[in-house]
Amino acid sequence: QITLKESGPTLVKPTQTLTLTCTFSGFSLSTSGVGVGWIRQPPGKALEWLALIYWDDDKRYSPSLKSRLTITKDTSQNQVVLTMTNMDPVDTATYYCAHSRGYGTPHDYWGRGTLVTVSS
Amino acid sequence: SYELTQPLSVSVALGQTARITCGGNNIGMKNVHWYQQKPGQAPVLVIDRDSNRPSGIPERFSGSNSGNTATLTISRAQAGDEADYYCQVWDSNTAVVFGGGTKLTVL
Repeated sequence: QITLKESGPTLVKPTQTLTLTCTFSGFSLSTSGVGVGWIRQPPGKALEWLALIYWDDDKRYSPSLKSRLTITKDTSQNQVVLTMTNMDPVDTATYYCAHSRGYGTPHDYWGRGTLVTVSS
Repeated sequence: SYELTQPLSVSVALGQTARITCGGNNIGMKNVHWYQQKPGQAPVLVIDRDSNRPSGIPERFSGSNSGNTATLTISRAQAGDEADYYCQVWDSNTAVVFGGGTKLTVL
């Protein structure tokens, strides 16, 4: 059974760096093809894909946010970490992590998401 | 960058067929995935690679993809199908791309 859970601060100040952790079970990020991605959703708005990391440490980023994002993995801890620098109130959103079984495949398992509010 | 276009909203009468489109340049050459998202919940994959239903998804959900348009079809629409629906593709330049989402209302 695959599960994912996001954790991190619920409130960050403008200009601060956000660090989110995705802790998962039921699969390994050392298995060929497997990836974990991050997607966010501002209140009342659409999904926005952020980043994805694969088993072989291949990393992909949203072109519009690439300069602010870093995604890493800790295979031994079954965790994926996303950092986003220079947070702004427009970054207020629910942040989801999700499993992918390979390149080009969908996110077939999602965490419940964590709401991050950016405010001074 | 690659863009996907969805109608903001679609309405369907109870028991009838709803069709939600997803437009993109030569989208028929790509694999399209569809997600359902109900209020306060995480998205759920309902169609994988154009027309494949994951385990547990009712047969009422089907998909097609050709030319510049992919379509999610929901037959015999139920009240429980009311949700936002998102299409998604993999693009070699942009990686993952989501459509803007469509709100389905069952009347």
